[in-house]
Order: sequence, then structure tokens, then C-alpha cells
Amino acid sequence: NAGVTQTPKFQVLKTGQSMTLQCAQDMNHEYMSWYRQDPGMGLRLIHYSVGAGITDQGEVPNGYNVSRSTTEDFPLRLLSAAPSQTSVYFCASRNPGRDGYTFGSGTRLTVV
Amino acid sequence: DAKTTQPPSMDCAEGRAANLPCNHSTISGNEYVYWYRQIHSQGPQYIIHGLKNNETNEMASLIITEDRKSSTLILPHATLRDTAVYYCIVRVVGGSEKLVFGKGTKLTVNP
Repeated sequence: NAGVTQTPKFQVLKTGQSMTLQCAQDMNHEYMSWYRQDPGMGLRLIHYSVGAGITDQGEVPNGYNVSRSTTEDFPLRLLSAAPSQTSVYFCASRNPGRDGYTFGSGTRLTVV
Repeated sequence: DAKTTQPPSMDCAEGRAANLPCNHSTISGNEYVYWYRQIHSQGPQYIIHGLKNNETNEMASLIITEDRKSSTLILPHATLRDTAVYYCIVRVVGGSEKLVFGKGTKLTVNP
């Protein structure tokens, strides 16, 4: 199993550009989430999904869209990138119940 | 979900036990305590969780006080590779997925 795979690992965008951060998991996990982590801060939840076709907002959803058309994939879309979205983005997945999350290795995004 | 309080940093000698405390005085009866860690630049890693009984796995032990208002994560024989930020989180199983990661405890294991 590859676990949770995030692509790309690094990305530089210009202000106003759009892009999609990819996240795929091969563990058949129902739940998936996106977090961002800024220097000196803990992780903050952006969006999450409890199954295909079901998504909900987290703590900091503005400027981001998600969709969950399959169990395996949970892409995060930046509609119009802003410097404030410069961050490290982590995708995570788990099964319902008491299990903990498995996290990907992250995407480092810089918006200039 | 209940709020947690952790010391910002701790040091531990290699080979010794590392005891990381977490205060969760407002925890409710159906909230579990979860521990994650994040080694520099990597994604967080799940360590262990518990409700009220002490738990042990291959990575660590979790001791939860009888009143459940605090807990301690124990790494029995810390190694340099255990240097990381450790996060204590409480959540209701089956409740919101809105996990709140605080700033955690930066554990430095010294040779």
C-alpha cells in the first residue's frame, strides 16, 4: 500500500492563478480531510469528506473548493491563489470509528 | 471538542523515558484522547488513542487519569528519531471531523 499520496510536493503560483492539489489513498478509507499548516502554528482543517459525494467545511474553508467523486481521491482546488494561501498542505484519511488518521507527506505551496 | 493544553517544549535524554503531559480538563464522557506527532517537515503520524483505560502499543503508552482531566504519553526509551512535535487532541468518536490541532509540545531528544 502506498498510503496517502499527495502531488505535487512543491508548487509556486502567481497571485490569481488557480490550481488543484491532488490527494489519493489506496486504503479504502471513507473519511478524508485537508489541512494547512503555517509556520509556528498547528494544523487547521480546511475541508473534509465522510464519503464519496459528501463534503463539509472545516475551520478555514474560504478560497478552497473540494469534491469527492470517488473513495480514493479528494482534490483541493484553489480558485484564485493569494499570498495568504502560502502554506504546507496535508491530506489525511481514515476509516469511521476510533481509528486515527493517516497523513500524506504534504504539498508546499508558495504564492507570489 | 474539549480544548487541550500542552507545554510548548520538553527535553529528554536518549534512552530515557519521555513523559509528555496534556491537560484536557473540560473533556466530556464520550471524548477520546488522541496523540499524533510530526517529525520535521513530514506529515503527522498517529501514535495512540484512549478513552479511560491506559493503552499501550508498539510506539508508546497512554496514561489517562481517573478523572480523565489529563493524560500522559510515554515513550519508554526515547531515541533521537523521536524528536518531533507531539499533539494531544480530544474528539468524540462519530462526532465532528473537525480535529483541532493546537501548537503541541516540541520534544527534543538529546544524545
